[in-house]
Amino acid sequence: GENVEQHPSTLSVQEGDSAVIKCTYSDSASNYFPWYKQELGKGPQLIIDIRSNVGEKKDQRIAVTLNKTAKHFSLHITETQPEDSAVYFCAPNNQAGTALIFGKGTTLSVSS
Amino acid sequence: DADVTQTPRNRITKTGKRIMLECSQTKGHDRMYWYRQDPGLGLRLIYYSFDVKDINKGEISDGYSVSRQAQAKFSLSLESAIPNQTALYFCATRAARLPSGANVLTFGAGSRLTVL
Repeated sequence: GENVEQHPSTLSVQEGDSAVIKCTYSDSASNYFPWYKQELGKGPQLIIDIRSNVGEKKDQRIAVTLNKTAKHFSLHITETQPEDSAVYFCAPNNQAGTALIFGKGTTLSVSS
Repeated sequence: DADVTQTPRNRITKTGKRIMLECSQTKGHDRMYWYRQDPGLGLRLIYYSFDVKDINKGEISDGYSVSRQAQAKFSLSLESAIPNQTALYFCATRAARLPSGANVLTFGAGSRLTVL
C-alpha cells in the first residue's frame, strides 16, 4: 500500500513570507496528487491538485510541483496571510484507486 | 444545507456503550469513507464503501463496524466504546466516475467523540 510522509509537521511564518510543504510517497502507480486544507472546526477541503503528466500547477498564491522520479510533490504558498493558517494534508493516489490514504498533516501558522 | 451531513456533531459517552455516528450525503456519490483524526496522526481510514453491497476495511477497522443503508447513508458504529476511540471522525464521499477522473473527496464537518 501507499506510504505517505509529510514534512514539516508544523510550520510558522510571518505574514507575507512563503511556505513550502513536501509530501513523499512510495507507490509508483500514484498518478494524482491533491492537497487539502482543513480550517479549525471544519472538514478538509481540496485546494489544489496535479496529475502525473504535469510538473507544476498554479492558482493565484498557491502552487503544486511534482517530481515523479523522486516520488514527491510540494505545496507552495506565497505572500502568506493569516487566513492561510490551517492544517494541510496531501493524499497521493491512483485515480483508479480504492482506499485514499492521507499524510499526517502540516500545521501552518501565519502570524501578522 | 451541507452536501455531507454528520450526526451527532459532538458526543460524550462512557466506556462500554454502543455508539453510532451517521453520515448522509446529497451529492449522489457512490463512494463513502469514514476517517478518524487524532493530533499528530493525521487522517486514518477506518472503512470505505463503493456501493450499498460493498464494504471494505481501512487502516484501522478493529473496534468499528459500518453499515451502508442506502447510497446516501453510511453509518459508523462502535459496539463497545473505549477511551482510546476518543477522536474526531470524518465522513467523506467521492463520485465513482468524474469527468476529470480525479479522486476528490468531499468531507463532512466532523463528529467529535469523547469516551470517558
